[in-house]
Amino acid sequence: DTEVTQTPKHLVMGMTNKKSLKCEQHMGHRAMYWYKQKAKKPPELMFVYSYEKLSINESVPSRFSPECPNSSLLNLHLHALQPEDSALYLCASSPARGVNTGELFFGEGSRLTVL
Amino acid sequence: KNEVEQSPQNLTAQEGEFITINCSYSVGISALHWLQQHPGGGIVSLFMLSSGKKKHGRLIATINIQEKHSSLHITASHPRDSAVYICAVRNTGTASKLTFGTGTRLQVTL
Repeated sequence: DTEVTQTPKHLVMGMTNKKSLKCEQHMGHRAMYWYKQKAKKPPELMFVYSYEKLSINESVPSRFSPECPNSSLLNLHLHALQPEDSALYLCASSPARGVNTGELFFGEGSRLTVL
Repeated sequence: KNEVEQSPQNLTAQEGEFITINCSYSVGISALHWLQQHPGGGIVSLFMLSSGKKKHGRLIATINIQEKHSSLHITASHPRDSAVYICAVRNTGTASKLTFGTGTRLQVTL
């Protein structure tokens, strides 16, 4: 199994809603990532988890709250988002992080629209 | 100047043509990734390189560490190769982060 699975594929939410994006991998990877991608732009790193601990937070607003309940799962909790947060949210995983990161596997993304 | 520059930004080719996409970078790297993204879709990792050359099917990727340059070649291009191709580098100093190029939008026509 070399897949990173993201759910939901599409999400529409209001600015007062609370929702979550979910990411799952069963490759035994110990590093997992959240990226945000706006149209026709490259992905921007948001968070990196290594061995289920948050190792990088790229100064992301607190309305985005990541969680790594176990080595296979990564969640992104969303609350009080703004319309400018509408984007494609990509999850990725790799065997490790740092110099020996290895191959990066991406999910199909969750397309978020904030009304 | 961006740390990772790709050329061309847009490319249109006819089916069967040989395609080259270039990537130049200005920082020390531990690895370079070539990624593919179809419209509205997720990203597929094509290659991870730290030296030399790799081949997978009709795709070939090369890297010259001294010249800080990499190329992605597609032989016998096909309309299904139409996608955005992204070069991304892993800096030696910030190895958990990828620095992305702005992508090359490829359209292969019949």
